[in-house]
Amino acid sequence: GENVEQHPSTLSVQEGDSAVIKCTYSDSASNYFPWYKQELGKRPQLIIDIRSNVGEKKDQRIAVTLNKTAKHFSLHITETQPEDSAVYFCAASDNTDKLIFGTGTRLQVFP
Amino acid sequence: GAVVSQHPSRVICKSGTSVKIECRSLDFQATTMFWYRQFPKQSLMLMATSNEGSKATYEQGVEKDKFLINHASLTLSTLTVTSAHPEDSSFYICSAGGGAGYTFGSGTRLTVV
Repeated sequence: GENVEQHPSTLSVQEGDSAVIKCTYSDSASNYFPWYKQELGKRPQLIIDIRSNVGEKKDQRIAVTLNKTAKHFSLHITETQPEDSAVYFCAASDNTDKLIFGTGTRLQVFP
Repeated sequence: GAVVSQHPSRVICKSGTSVKIECRSLDFQATTMFWYRQFPKQSLMLMATSNEGSKATYEQGVEKDKFLINHASLTLSTLTVTSAHPEDSSFYICSAGGGAGYTFGSGTRLTVV
């Protein structure tokens, strides 16, 4: 089955700096890669996603890149703000629709 | 957009009792519902996939006799934690969807005392 690894587990940045979180997946059949932000005790909130037919996608300060050959994808947050502080999860799903999550990254943005 | 309603949001139960968690798709039909468990400071771990009208499929290491899943209609899936023990205390959350996106329930915080 699919296995998703995520790094780093914690990330501290200064406000205004960029943050990058990286994930690798094992199943070459995976074709949908969402990123979620999760507040404590709440449901995951989709922040951006990418499909396997696209290499990069951007939405304001957030971007995701996908390298299918290497089976890795990354989340880029620019001009970070304190309210970006949260736990972020990457995930991958294939044609069975099972969504497998990465291990999570705790991002802290210091003012 | 699509909404999945999950109840209860919090439940405290005594060790040895059973707890039922419900997830309803409010404005769409969900033939499949995914159930996750999340321990503190850990990731969401897929427990099982419920399929309307058929048996659920469980991930490796998940006890199907302990975590009973029923998906009797296109809008309702339930997870029953049987003979709960303190180690079952966790955040349980359901999700419906697929490659076009996923909708999550609001989660259930289960505490077994």
